[in-house]
Amino acid sequence: DGGITQSPKYLFRKEGQNVTLSCEQNLNHDAMYWYRQDPGQGLRLIYYSQIVNDFQKGDIAEGYSVSREKKESFPLTVTSAQKNPTAFYLCASSGDSSSGNTIYFGEGSWLTVV
Amino acid sequence: AQKVTQAQTEISVVEKEDVTLDCVYETRDTTYYLFWYKQPPSGELVFLIRRNSFDEQNEISGRYSWNFQKSTSSFNFTITASQVVDSAVYFCALSEPHDFTGGGNKLTFGTGTQLKVEL
Repeated sequence: DGGITQSPKYLFRKEGQNVTLSCEQNLNHDAMYWYRQDPGQGLRLIYYSQIVNDFQKGDIAEGYSVSREKKESFPLTVTSAQKNPTAFYLCASSGDSSSGNTIYFGEGSWLTVV
Repeated sequence: AQKVTQAQTEISVVEKEDVTLDCVYETRDTTYYLFWYKQPPSGELVFLIRRNSFDEQNEISGRYSWNFQKSTSSFNFTITASQVVDSAVYFCALSEPHDFTGGGNKLTFGTGTQLKVEL
């Protein structure tokens, strides 16, 4: 099936540890994104990538890092520098203007710091 | 800067009632897109509709309808004859495609409206 796959669904991290969230898409989309969602709030953009080997900071990039070595993959690393990492993380992708650049989302990953 | 306001934090209705979710946006751009997404308890955001700023026609899709009014900067979403399966958080979002130079676009989300449909 075509879509966006995020893993793991649930992840627990000890303070001081880095963790990496996986995101894979088979939609042949050029652009990929990572959003963070906190309870009762909207989504906020962490990083985005418009093309392989290129990515840009979003609104809340501090404490996070990404890579885009392949078109299909856009992993997010939550580093120990992120002071409040417990949240729901959503990966997304979008195609070209023919689709109105509609952004499609994965199922999300819950990260909890213990 | 763009902004999306969903003033209704939570709405509760009884099944079969009609319900309207409000969305008001702010943007300085003349070209933009508006979106609605549904987030069921499972967490995934499900795309419902995209509307560009040059198309003010209302749209109906089954029990769903959308009312876009540029004069009031609103893009409201109505569910007719609501069902329990409609229970979810609904997000309105705005994008300005030219935020990105090479394609793609950046979404600004509202804080969402929690809709609870009860029997």
